[in-house]
Amino acid sequence: GNSVTQMEGPVTLSEEAFLTINCTYTATGYPSLFWYVQYPGEGLQLLLKATKADDKGSNKGFEATYRKETTSFHLEKGSVQVSDSAVYFCALSESGGGADGLTFGKGTHLIIQP
Amino acid sequence: NAGVTQTPKFRVLKTGQSMTLLCAQDMNHEYMYWYRQDPGMGLRLIHYSVGEGTTAKGEVPDGYNVSRLKKQNFLLGLESAAPSQTSVYFCASSYDGTGAQETQYFGPGTRLLVL
Repeated sequence: GNSVTQMEGPVTLSEEAFLTINCTYTATGYPSLFWYVQYPGEGLQLLLKATKADDKGSNKGFEATYRKETTSFHLEKGSVQVSDSAVYFCALSESGGGADGLTFGKGTHLIIQP
Repeated sequence: NAGVTQTPKFRVLKTGQSMTLLCAQDMNHEYMYWYRQDPGMGLRLIHYSVGEGTTAKGEVPDGYNVSRLKKQNFLLGLESAAPSQTSVYFCASSYDGTGAQETQYFGPGTRLLVL
């Protein structure tokens, strides 16, 4: 079956530091890959996505590149802000088969200190 | 647009009680989903629907039932609540499950405590 593995937190960084959150996946087909963000007390919001190998998703200064050869989709940001403190989820859905829902990683709690 | 809304926001139940969680979306999405979120577990799919009048089981369906009588609504029922069902429940919807339209949009969640 499908699975997503991401680094577990909490990850604590200082403001303006460089961020990497690792995500690797196992899938039987050709999945689409997503990063969702959950701010305290809220639901999940789509941060970025990539639908095929070598695609780069980007949003709000965050980037992630779909690497089929390493089955990875690592999230990066060059300079984090306190407002980036949240829980980040990596997820996948099988190509053409989103009907089965998303497969999520366990989430990475990111804490940015001023 | 309100997007995806969930009712109620918070509920406390006693073991054995029943309740229904309501999810509504105003985006004319075909697909709707119910997930539960538990500490250290990420989100797990309970049930989903690919259109009005259809439902299907997800990864953790036991103890739950669902109905999709109207396209915009997706109800999650607990017939006899158990403490193991204490969780945060999220509803999501997507235009369809394929290609560029597969992005899921999430509601704010319902926090359920079963004593």
